[in-house]
Amino acid sequence: DAGVIQSPRHEVTEMGQEVTLRCKPISGHDYLFWYRQTMMRGLELLIYFNNNVPIDDSGMPEDRFSAKMPNASFSTLKIQPSEPRDSAVYFCASSQDSLVQPQHFGDGTRLSIL
Amino acid sequence: GENVEQHPSTLSVQEGDSAVIKCTYSDSASNYFPWYKQELGKRPQLIIDIRSNVGEKKDQRIAVTLNKTAKHFSLHITETQPEDSAVYFCAPADQTGANNLFFGTGTRLTVIP
Repeated sequence: DAGVIQSPRHEVTEMGQEVTLRCKPISGHDYLFWYRQTMMRGLELLIYFNNNVPIDDSGMPEDRFSAKMPNASFSTLKIQPSEPRDSAVYFCASSQDSLVQPQHFGDGTRLSIL
Repeated sequence: GENVEQHPSTLSVQEGDSAVIKCTYSDSASNYFPWYKQELGKRPQLIIDIRSNVGEKKDQRIAVTLNKTAKHFSLHITETQPEDSAVYFCAPADQTGANNLFFGTGTRLTVIP
């Protein structure tokens, strides 16, 4: 299996621009998670999906952030408009069939907002 | 929500010595206790996990012990090697998700050759 695939690996853009991060989970995995990692706040869960349905988005920082999962093999995390404080590494992870299974992480997207 | 704490936040050991990292949690419903390792610039990866019906699990140089009564579980690494240097995270969970899947704050382990 190819593992969880994220794109792009790096993104540098100016504040105010729209940013779209993409994730392809491991085939057959029912759960998909989006995390943000910073030195100050550590690894934070933003939102997770079960069978393409958003279950808990309480970690999404504000309305500028949105996430979708139109099908079982694709998810996006969008920031519009972006701000410098959004700079972080964003990870996508998937797990097989429950919340009490190992999570498999993608390589992350390093986002820099200038 | 869940309150997850790791101790220590940083740990330096000589190569060949043992390292122990402790994770305390508050949600008594937690029944899955994984440890993840994140090397610098890389993604977190599961290294060992334990479930609430087991007190200890070992995989070569790595072991995890669980004390459900006291609500803590620990990662033990024996005969440490330089490649063990990384940040380690605990992430206790239960299926309801009510604890919001918190990851611990991480422990930076440095193994000195």
